[in-house]
Amino acid sequence: SAVISQKPSRDICQRGTSLTIQCQVDSQVTMMFWYRQQPGQSLTLIATANQGSEATYESGFVIDKFPISRPNLTFSTLTVSNMSPEDSSIYLCSARGLAANTGELFFGEGSRLTVL
Amino acid sequence: GESVGLHLPTLSVQEGDNSIINCAYSNSASDYFIWYKQESGKGPQFIIDIRSNMDKRQGQRVTVLLNKTVKHLSLQIAATQPGDSAVYFCAEKENYGQNFVFGPGTRLSVLP
Repeated sequence: SAVISQKPSRDICQRGTSLTIQCQVDSQVTMMFWYRQQPGQSLTLIATANQGSEATYESGFVIDKFPISRPNLTFSTLTVSNMSPEDSSIYLCSARGLAANTGELFFGEGSRLTVL
Repeated sequence: GESVGLHLPTLSVQEGDNSIINCAYSNSASDYFIWYKQESGKGPQFIIDIRSNMDKRQGQRVTVLLNKTVKHLSLQIAATQPGDSAVYFCAEKENYGQNFVFGPGTRLSVLP
């Protein structure tokens, strides 16, 4: 299994500002993903973080709002831009192992953002 | 599109009893399923997985059953303990796909 570290673990942000969340995996992984979990809700995939290229976004999520970087196989960042109270959520980084079409999806502990 | 849902949003069980958490999925092309446990303030934790070529898989105190005919997945927890209190999610992945789709979750409360 992979150990996934995220920071910050939580933050309180002002409306209109942006925040970058960092995700570090302790081993090389083929796939990295970013999920959003709104209060009391399930997980919704934001995008797949592709190494060395633009992320692949799911319907309803756009690069201008959620820019993502993945410079190597173990690190990714998600920025939540121009935040509003509706962006208050837990943002979760996840990863799958080297056997891309097999293997479980592991999660970090999440970054809990509150936007005032 | 594919969707995953749950029959029961909340479940309360007595300590020591067995728990059964259910999940329905709609995508017949899904070939890999995972159950996750999420405790308050933490990320989802992998519990057990099953592939579509299996009907049953057992772990420590947990069993996952897959019924492909009716597209139904269940998680059985034996001798439920207070530490099992959490929200449980099922997730599915389509064959040759990379993304997992998560169900809405079931909150399990273990009563003393």
